Amino acid sequence: QKEVEQDPGPLSVPEGAIVSLNCTYSNSAFQYFMWYRQYSRKGPELLMYTYSSGNKEDGRFTAQVDKSSKYISLFIRDSQPSDSATYLCAMNRGNEKLTFGTGTRLTIIP
Amino acid sequence: DSGVTQTPKHLITATGQRVTLRCSPRSGDLSVYWYQQSLDQGLQFLIQYYNGEERAKGNILERFSAQQFPDLHSELNLSSLELGDSALYFCASSVDPGGNTYEQYFGPGTRLTVT
Repeated sequence: QKEVEQDPGPLSVPEGAIVSLNCTYSNSAFQYFMWYRQYSRKGPELLMYTYSSGNKEDGRFTAQVDKSSKYISLFIRDSQPSDSATYLCAMNRGNEKLTFGTGTRLTIIP
Repeated sequence: DSGVTQTPKHLITATGQRVTLRCSPRSGDLSVYWYQQSLDQGLQFLIQYYNGEERAKGNILERFSAQQFPDLHSELNLSSLELGDSALYFCASSVDPGGNTYEQYFGPGTRLTVT
């Protein structure tokens, strides 16, 4: 079993829809949670960084962490064609390597 | 722009050769990580340096080595290159001097093609 599970998709939604991306993890020692957006063959771009359970909002993006369920989510409101990319969840215990999900390929249809 | 720079952007070289990839972390970041991403594959952790010292190793081949210099930039050396080493190589940095945040910022990557 992988430490971090993420539905690889692909996921296609119409422009303007709310997108929900999710990951589950098994290692309860993970404390720091990140969401990255990666365009094809580009460097992963950090979207959200959270510590501990709860919600964090930044513009159209909301990250949720539920440590009791070992479940994290990223919501994208008012989705745009430019949001089409692969979204990666990642997590660690602090000053160490990230453990990544496999990534979800998202396409926003104009 | 993440603040992490990598050079070169592209490298094309032959099997058996040696190359050096360079990374400059975000200003003040003490940790540098190297990751490899093969075509349509996930990000594989190679090695981490913290403030000049090797801190952790992942699935890094013996043909690969890295170092972090006093100015905190890092180099990844790949030798005796094989076709299977063709991949994107990313550098990431984290850990502000206060040691209070751990988000990792990635550079644009170096695309290595071994022919």
